[in-house]
Amino acid sequence: DTGVSQDPRHKITKRGQNVTFRCDPISEHNRLYWYRQTLGQGPEFLTYFQNEAQLEKSRLLSDRFSAERPKGSFSTLEIQRTEQGDSAMYLCASSLTPSKETQYFGPGTRLLVL
Amino acid sequence: AQSVTQPDIHITVSEGASLELRCNYSYGATPYLFWYVQSPGQGLQLLLKYFSGDTLVQGIKGFEAEFKRSQSSFNLRKPSVHWSDAAEYFCAVVSGGYNKLIFGAGTRLAVHP
Repeated sequence: DTGVSQDPRHKITKRGQNVTFRCDPISEHNRLYWYRQTLGQGPEFLTYFQNEAQLEKSRLLSDRFSAERPKGSFSTLEIQRTEQGDSAMYLCASSLTPSKETQYFGPGTRLLVL
Repeated sequence: AQSVTQPDIHITVSEGASLELRCNYSYGATPYLFWYVQSPGQGLQLLLKYFSGDTLVQGIKGFEAEFKRSQSSFNLRKPSVHWSDAAEYFCAVVSGGYNKLIFGAGTRLAVHP
């Protein structure tokens, strides 16, 4: 069990640039979640995948954000035209159905938009 | 809507002292509750969870938590704190059919030698 991995761990970009983050869940975990955590706050839910289907998106996920999970394995989160307000830690978690499952978190990708 | 409140933003304790971190939730039905710990720059590690049954839950690293429905609380405790326990602690409740987590704002724990 290698755990949830995320890449890159850190990203510095200039305002207006596009960035993409990758999450590799624990193998055989069919549920995958993205959260965003700003300084001094708890993580906030962004979006949820069950296998390859994106079943829920938070209103926090503006049109500049897009997430995919092709073939129900790894997932990517892309932010287009980044803004300074996008600076945050982006966390990925995975879990296994059925219900009551525990979400296991990756180490996160810390984004800084200059 | 479901919510979680952690009333204490910062707590400082001496090494060897007991610890209690408070968590209050708002949820209509029986909640599924979690405590996670986050070290600086790291992801979240699960300490313990409550789904049903015994209201006193044991976790890793010597932590325990007690679910009190009458008080809508799920406080985290440890009888003797170690310096390595210094971190940020988050309480969370499951919300909705897809089991997303709603987190509190966290409590930052500092441990004095």
